[in-house]
Amino acid sequence: DGGITQSPKYLFRKEGQNVTLSCEQNLNHDAMYWYRQDPGQGLRLIYYSQIVNDFQKGDIAEGYSVSREKKESFPLTVTSAQKNPTAFYLCATGQGIYEQYFGPGTRLTVT
Amino acid sequence: QKEVEQDPGPLSVPEGAIVSLNCTYSNSAFQYFMWYRQYSRKGPELLMYTYSSGNKEDGRFTAQVDKSSKYISLFIRDSQPSDSATYLCAMSNSGGYQKVTFGTGTKLQVIP
Repeated sequence: DGGITQSPKYLFRKEGQNVTLSCEQNLNHDAMYWYRQDPGQGLRLIYYSQIVNDFQKGDIAEGYSVSREKKESFPLTVTSAQKNPTAFYLCATGQGIYEQYFGPGTRLTVT
Repeated sequence: QKEVEQDPGPLSVPEGAIVSLNCTYSNSAFQYFMWYRQYSRKGPELLMYTYSSGNKEDGRFTAQVDKSSKYISLFIRDSQPSDSATYLCAMSNSGGYQKVTFGTGTKLQVIP
């Protein structure tokens, strides 16, 4: 069954704790992306990776970190330095110039 | 000013109506124009894409791009309750990295 999996679907954390969101794909796509979605703000790019062991900051990378040790996996860590971490986080993969495939998302709530 | 502007709605229409969703943009370098559909609490899914100007039709959906006006539209004919979702426009330039800029989304409700 091909696709993108994100886990967990819902995540609750206390302020000051780091948390890691998982993203796995079996589409054999080279590029992977992390977006954050907030009401009224659309999707904002956090980090992206075009190949293994390489990744670039997006528009809102502060307070986040990523790794890309395997083609299939692109985990995102939300650190305690992220001032407003509560959001819906979406992982995506891409192969062509324009097309991106999204996972089901993780809703993170930090209190 | 945002690079991509999209009316957030919500837009409510009766079943069977023709729906028009629109976005404007400011970056003339955009060459690829996409429409994504996002159901509540789900990830977006690509509906249609268009390269440069012109029209593209797929079943009940038609995408239009007018680069001279920096304006794109998505038309839905014979709208169905299952079309109720948030529709996101998205755009990308022709550079090597596929950075995509998204609109904020328009929430559509089709009433039976």
